[in-house]
Amino acid sequence: SYELTQPPSVSVSPGQTARITCSGDALPKQYAYWYQQKPGQAPVLVIYKDSERPSGIPERFSGSSSGTTVTLTISGVQAEDEADYYCQSADSSGTFVVFGGGTKLTVL
Amino acid sequence: QLQLQESGPGLVKPSETLSLTCTVSGGSISSSSYYWGWIRQPPGKGLEWIGSIYYSGSTYYNPSLKSRVTISVDTSKNQFSLKLSSVTAADTAVYYCARLSYYYDSSGYSLGAFDIWGQGTMVTVSS
Repeated sequence: SYELTQPPSVSVSPGQTARITCSGDALPKQYAYWYQQKPGQAPVLVIYKDSERPSGIPERFSGSSSGTTVTLTISGVQAEDEADYYCQSADSSGTFVVFGGGTKLTVL
Repeated sequence: QLQLQESGPGLVKPSETLSLTCTVSGGSISSSSYYWGWIRQPPGKGLEWIGSIYYSGSTYYNPSLKSRVTISVDTSKNQFSLKLSSVTAADTAVYYCARLSYYYDSSGYSLGAFDIWGQGTMVTVSS
């Protein structure tokens, strides 16, 4: 079955830039989406269609795509950005939804 | 604005069927622009897509769960439901319902993003 691969953890100091990657064979063909999840809360969509930002999401969140890897970038990280981040996409058929394993972002 | 709310038993016995309902308020489940989906998250673990349904009843399921899952829609009640049969302790999780976009491009048709989520409901499988 299709899989998306994320690093388990990323650590960054406040004010620095955090980059979280997600790799998958179908990513050149399918859009990627990113979610932020804080403890005890439902996930929130922060990036859609690789690089689009929903209304209400701070400009410091951005997304990019290159080949089989997509990247979520958080510029000027703040303490409130500490959370789990999940990428999501579809397989090459477009009808099987898959999530990455998640990345825990720690703000030092 | 659109809201989703999961409901159902918080405790299910092993080998029985887990049943949950998601009620959509502030909008119509019959919108032609969206699918509706179920996602689960075992304690301390990541997100797993269970399946999705269109208002017409068209469904897509995660192959790893397909033999045990049924998702249905009731447009008159603005609800969609999940049934998961023959549950075990491995099915213990927070279950979320969410709205799912889809799109067409030069490559064809594809499911998109879960843009609105319910708060989630914890279901424990235990005797």
